[in-house]
Amino acid sequence: TQLLEQSPQFLSIQEGENLTVYCNSSSVFSSLQWYRQEPGEGPVLLVTVVTGGEVKKLKRLTFQFGDARKDSSLHITAAQPGDTGLYLCAGPKRGAGSYQLTFGKGTKLSVIP
Amino acid sequence: DVKVTQSSRYLVKRTGEKVFLECVQDMDHENMFWYRQDPGLGLRLIYFSYDVKMKEKGDIPEGYSVSREKKERFSLILESASTNQTSMYLCASSTFRAGDTQYFGPGTRLTVL
Repeated sequence: TQLLEQSPQFLSIQEGENLTVYCNSSSVFSSLQWYRQEPGEGPVLLVTVVTGGEVKKLKRLTFQFGDARKDSSLHITAAQPGDTGLYLCAGPKRGAGSYQLTFGKGTKLSVIP
Repeated sequence: DVKVTQSSRYLVKRTGEKVFLECVQDMDHENMFWYRQDPGLGLRLIYFSYDVKMKEKGDIPEGYSVSREKKERFSLILESASTNQTSMYLCASSTFRAGDTQYFGPGTRLTVL
């Protein structure tokens, strides 16, 4: 079973601080995705990382895929209240008929103004 | 703009009632998914469908059934609702390709009394 473990589970920080959240597995993934879910909405894709060691930037968000493709991190610089939400990592999993995603349980981030 | 819509944002039902949750996508996606989301448990896959009339059990299919008669529509059915099925239900769709983006609906908050 391919499991994704995310840490920390909860994070509450002041506006302007930096933070890093982690997504770890004992299994190798061909790619990993990061989603953000705002309260009352469904998750929305932020980024997909595909190559081991890859770093992708999305404004103040930096995503890294581990060299061995077993882990990923998300670093936020100078967090804003608009970054508040649930951050989920997900990796592809083969079902009998097609591919599905396995999700981590998420990191719930609160950025206090 | 891609869209996944769910029939209700909020639903209140009585124990023992039959409940239908509907999901429609406008992206001609092959795959459609039903998840439930509970605090501390993350997103758990109930069922998914990779083609019309084709379905595959997810991690927690007990107490649920699904129907996919048309490519754009995927229904989740609770044959006899119970209080432990009170949850947020999220529908998603994607192409058949491994690691492709899942597009989520806004969710249905179901309360079973």
